[in-house]
Amino acid sequence: QKEVEQDPGPLSVPEGAIVSLNCTYSNSAFQYFMWYRQYSRKGPELLMYTYSSGNKEDGRFTAQVDKSSKYISLFIRDSQPSDSATYLCAMRGSGGYQKVTFGTGTKLQVIP
Amino acid sequence: ETGVTQSPTHLIKTRGQQVTLRCSSQSGHNTVSWYQQALGQGPQFIFQYYREEENGRGNFPPRFSGLQFPNYSSELNVNALELDDSALYLCATHFAGVTDTQYFGPGTRLTVL
Repeated sequence: QKEVEQDPGPLSVPEGAIVSLNCTYSNSAFQYFMWYRQYSRKGPELLMYTYSSGNKEDGRFTAQVDKSSKYISLFIRDSQPSDSATYLCAMRGSGGYQKVTFGTGTKLQVIP
Repeated sequence: ETGVTQSPTHLIKTRGQQVTLRCSSQSGHNTVSWYQQALGQGPQFIFQYYREEENGRGNFPPRFSGLQFPNYSSELNVNALELDDSALYLCATHFAGVTDTQYFGPGTRLTVL
């Protein structure tokens, strides 16, 4: 079993839709949770970062972490064609060197 | 732009050869991590360097090695290339203790034939 599970998609939605992306994980030591966006032929770009459980909002993006269920989500409101990319969840523990464990990524296509 | 550059952009090698990939980061980013991203997969942690010393390693064999230099550049070396080494290799640099704000380079696409 992988430490981090993520549905690879692809996920296709119409412009303006609300998008929900999710990851589950098995390692209770994970304390920091991130979402990255990766466009084709580019490196990942950090979108959201959350420590422990709770919600965080940034513009059209909302990240949620439920540590009791080992489940994290990213919501994108009013999706745009420019949001079409692969979304990677990532997480790490605290202390020591900082190994980051990524999910496999979900490919999102927003259709105009 | 993240201020992180990688070279070369693409590389084709044959099985058994050796390869060196390079990464250059922003001044002050004293920590660099290298990742391997196979097609359709998330990045897999290879190792991390802090102040020119390896201080963490993922599940990769010793034929994957690295160097970090005082000018914040770094190298990933892979010996005895195998077909499964074909992937996008990413470096990510950050200031120690702030991994959540690590900045990724565009990657080097390695193809092993």
